[in-house]
Amino acid sequence: EVQLVESGGGLVQPGGSLRLSCAASGLTFSSYWMNWVRQAPGKGLEWVANIKQDGSEKNYVDSVKGRFTISRDNAKNSLYLQMNSLRAEDTAVYFCAKERLGIDAFDIWGQGTMVTVSS
Amino acid sequence: DIQLTQSPSSLSASVGDRVSITCRASQSISNFLNWYQQKPGKAPKLLIYTTSSLQSGVPSRFSGDKSGTDFTLTISSLQPEDFATYYCQQSYNTPLTFGGGTKVEIK
Repeated sequence: EVQLVESGGGLVQPGGSLRLSCAASGLTFSSYWMNWVRQAPGKGLEWVANIKQDGSEKNYVDSVKGRFTISRDNAKNSLYLQMNSLRAEDTAVYFCAKERLGIDAFDIWGQGTMVTVSS
Repeated sequence: DIQLTQSPSSLSASVGDRVSITCRASQSISNFLNWYQQKPGKAPKLLIYTTSSLQSGVPSRFSGDKSGTDFTLTISSLQPEDFATYYCQQSYNTPLTFGGGTKVEIK
């Protein structure tokens, strides 16, 4: 069974840092672009970042550029999101999502991990 | 950035109704438009990719179409399990963007 499992969420103060992880199983992880998508409480979906199969290409939404870094370790079948200088508006459930091969559509999602930025 | 405007933002319908949701793109995105279903507390589920291709395992009552920069998700006969929020998403370029969502509620 293909599965993505996020971890690392929690409560952090404004200006703080957090590192999210996403563990993949049941798929050839190194074959796919991977993504982070977030959803603020009661709000819609927002794409955050993606990373190419070999990690050589990364893209970010403007609101997180310079603060968040996406990375991956194909040997560990894992995706990461390092989040620095966190703001209240970063409060959301963060999902990792796998691309449907060759298309930037997200066909497999994790269950999400909650990040709360508050003092 | 490409903006996606979904309409309506919510609708009430009965089991068996035919339901259509529209997603308008702010510029041409070819066929790079995808649709998701999300239920409360759950991750989104891919329904349709590249305008009209049905994701594996998704019932055939779901379909997608386009006219210019207007894209439509249609549910031919609404079932109890279809009450959820639906989002469109463009995969034409980054930043990848989503529409604001359409909540389908029971009438």
